[in-house]
Amino acid sequence: DADVTQTPRNRITKTGKRIMLECSQTKGHDRMYWYRQDPGLGLRLIYYSFDVKDINKGEISDGYSVSRQAQAKFSLSLESAIPNQTALYFCATSDPNTRLIYGYTFGSGTRLTVV
Amino acid sequence: QKEVEQDPGPLSVPEGAIVSLNCTYSNSAFQYFMWYRQYSRKGPELLMYTYSSGNKEDGRFTAQVDKSSKYISLFIRDSQPSDSATYLCAILTGANNLFFGTGTRLTVIP
Repeated sequence: DADVTQTPRNRITKTGKRIMLECSQTKGHDRMYWYRQDPGLGLRLIYYSFDVKDINKGEISDGYSVSRQAQAKFSLSLESAIPNQTALYFCATSDPNTRLIYGYTFGSGTRLTVV
Repeated sequence: QKEVEQDPGPLSVPEGAIVSLNCTYSNSAFQYFMWYRQYSRKGPELLMYTYSSGNKEDGRFTAQVDKSSKYISLFIRDSQPSDSATYLCAILTGANNLFFGTGTRLTVIP
């Protein structure tokens, strides 16, 4: 099994619908992140969580919300999807207690299309 | 001004060529610099990281930081078709988050 699992892998939804993207990890890491990737814009941070009780907005949090249900689970919700939220979404984890603190482990991504 | 800017490419080279990938960053206080590699339909994977300035070598890959010009580079020697991927530079900000460049897509032609 992958260290960081994202579901679904692909999703097409209609404008105005609520949608949830899920992420679970088996790394045992406290820190989890949600990024979106767009052509020409790279990876941009949406939300991050340093532990279950600590959730923070990233660079582009408007229109998104998150829930950290457990150390291993971090969900991203689009309350009312709009077409410019069409993108590739990545969940990532990191462990501040290792030398590779900056070595994030990414999931394989969710390709979301809002029509 | 963005924290880190990357030459967008794309870049296409013949097998065996030396590849140079480059980024600039905005804040001279940044100390940690990373290169990630992303294959198609996959998430990015950490390739190399460096602290402060200087060079770091790992096999065919060399990461270089020039703090005086705020310039970071990744060199790939004897490039292989398996090196074909998107390469993203990243820097660690004071808030302990990674900011990524836009990525350079590299194709190595056999």
